[in-house]
Amino acid sequence: GESVGLHLPTLSVQEGDNSIINCAYSNSASDYFIWYKQESGKGPQFIIDIRSNMDKRQGQRVTVLLNKTVKHLSLQIAATQPGDSAVYFCAEIRTSYDKVIFGPGTSLSVIP
Amino acid sequence: GAVVSQHPSRVICKSGTSVKIECRSLDFQATTMFWYRQFPKKSLMLMATSNEGSKATYEQGVEKDKFLINHASLTLSTLTVTSAHPEDSSFYICSAIRTGHQPQHFGDGTRLSIL
Repeated sequence: GESVGLHLPTLSVQEGDNSIINCAYSNSASDYFIWYKQESGKGPQFIIDIRSNMDKRQGQRVTVLLNKTVKHLSLQIAATQPGDSAVYFCAEIRTSYDKVIFGPGTSLSVIP
Repeated sequence: GAVVSQHPSRVICKSGTSVKIECRSLDFQATTMFWYRQFPKKSLMLMATSNEGSKATYEQGVEKDKFLINHASLTLSTLTVTSAHPEDSSFYICSAIRTGHQPQHFGDGTRLSIL
């Protein structure tokens, strides 16, 4: 059940600044990781992925870093824009099973 | 890109009603579909994995008789919430993949409100 006082972690960033969203994953056997963006009332939208044989991958304005030693994943968004305001979820996958395990999510709020 | 369509987007109905939600893959054949439930300000919780032509695999704690899943074709899976009650009110999201071809592609969810 839900514990009183637990809320979605929130990150507030000034427009134009860089954002860093962090995620700890749970299963050392996970070999594929995805960041999803979810806007209010919509389903998750794929942003970027990375396989466990890499430690960094770059997309357009986004970079994902993977540290397998400490089971940590981060999403960096460059020059954050108001349209980036959303909830961001990391997801870990053990590709032999296809099942996706979602992290708790971080709410990003961009201040114009 | 891959598109998953979910219908309806919103349902409001009385307690005791059964509600069917459809999930369609529009431009690819989805050998596997997943159904999630999401509470406000929470993460997605996997309810069940639906493989075309076989019985769905339910996660621990999910009542299979309450949440009936049918995956009769490679482009359609349905979730039926039977005899829905207010505690079943939630945001239900489906996703679809071709087996072994991540990432999953998500529908836009169904907001279910039981009065």
